[in-house]
Amino acid sequence: AQTVTQSQPEMSVQEAETVTLSCTYDTSESNYYLFWYKQPPSRQMILVIRQEAYKQQNATENRFSVNFQKAAKSFSLKISDSQLGDTAMYFCAFKLRSGSQGNLIFGKGTKLSVKP
Amino acid sequence: EAGVTQFPSHSVIEKGQTVTLRCDPISGHDNLYWYRRVMGKEIKFLLHFVKESKQDESGMPNNRFLAERTGGTYSTLKVQPAELEDSGVYFCASSAVRDRDTGELFFGEGSRLTVL
Repeated sequence: AQTVTQSQPEMSVQEAETVTLSCTYDTSESNYYLFWYKQPPSRQMILVIRQEAYKQQNATENRFSVNFQKAAKSFSLKISDSQLGDTAMYFCAFKLRSGSQGNLIFGKGTKLSVKP
Repeated sequence: EAGVTQFPSHSVIEKGQTVTLRCDPISGHDNLYWYRRVMGKEIKFLLHFVKESKQDESGMPNNRFLAERTGGTYSTLKVQPAELEDSGVYFCASSAVRDRDTGELFFGEGSRLTVL
């Protein structure tokens, strides 16, 4: 069975600084996706960034980038130039890339607070 | 385009009562998922509809939970009778068939259930 672990329940960062959120996972499969979702207070959860396991290049989306270490089963999220709007719960998630739709397996989340 | 909408946003009921949660997916999305997050724990998969059919209901905790998706549009999740451990946030998500290979799900804001 696959598991996802986020070891940082809460983090804070000063506005404009950089912060890294950790995520490790466990699987015996080789073909899968990894995601970071964010849920701002009282808002919908939205996709921040996605990584396909077969791609060695780390995904980036503007200020968000990942450090994907497949052998170590690590998938950390780096937020550069943090903004107040980045305050949210961040969830790391795993999904098998199978013939079926599959389902997402989530970590417990990291609550990030960006301080002015 | 309207996103995934869930109703109610918050429900407070007493143990033994019944609650019905509703989810309206994004129009045209055949895939509909229910997830649940108990406070401080991971977001857990409950079940997956493809149109009106249950594709995977392996995450449903017990027979007090009943999910339906008549006509393949909106879905309801009924808890009857509710127990204290059912408290949590129930998330609905949807995706189109074309998102099969991207793995991205579109989430609602969640329905918070408090059982007293």
